[in-house]
Amino acid sequence: DTEVTQTPKHLVMGMTNKKSLKCEQHMGHRAMYWYKQKAKKPPELMFVYSYEKLSINESVPSRFSPECPNSSLLNLHLHALQPEDSALYLCASSPGQINTDTQYFGPGTRLTVL
Amino acid sequence: QQPVQSPQAMILREGEDAVINCSSSKALYSVHWYRQKHGEAPVFLMILLKGGEQKGHDKISASFNEKKQQSSLYLTASQLSYSGTYFCGTVLMNNNAGNMLTFGGGTRLMVKP
Repeated sequence: DTEVTQTPKHLVMGMTNKKSLKCEQHMGHRAMYWYKQKAKKPPELMFVYSYEKLSINESVPSRFSPECPNSSLLNLHLHALQPEDSALYLCASSPGQINTDTQYFGPGTRLTVL
Repeated sequence: QQPVQSPQAMILREGEDAVINCSSSKALYSVHWYRQKHGEAPVFLMILLKGGEQKGHDKISASFNEKKQQSSLYLTASQLSYSGTYFCGTVLMNNNAGNMLTFGGGTRLMVKP
């Protein structure tokens, strides 16, 4: 199984809502990532979990809260988002070594904040 | 430190060759190439590591010039399926930020019949 799955595929939420994005992989990978991608722009790294511990937080606003319940799951909790947070949110995983390993991307969650 | 990709966009006829460049102003540990089709996730193509190397599979290959901190992706005899946006991602040498992967701005490629 070489797949990273993400749910939901699409999400529309108001600025006062609380929602969560979910990412799952069963490849035994020990590093997992959240990226944000705006239209016609490259993915921008938000968070990195290595061995279930948060290792990188790229100065992301606190309205985004990541969680790694176990080595296969990665969540992104959303609260009080702004319209400018609308984007494609990509999850990725890699075997371990961040700088040399291939990152496998999920299909993404397209988020619209009204 | 975002790497710089060139060109930003290109249009090819099926069967033509193309080169996409990726440059960094800082010393690189590795260069990663991905292709993303519209509405889909980025798909891994290849990784090149410090020391300078070349890799390839099928008609897509890449090189990494460590001295110039530059990588090039070569598309030979392009096919319609090669259309998409190509991103290079770089990991800096001695990156105190934990060896994060930073993507270039992308090169949008359209292959026409």
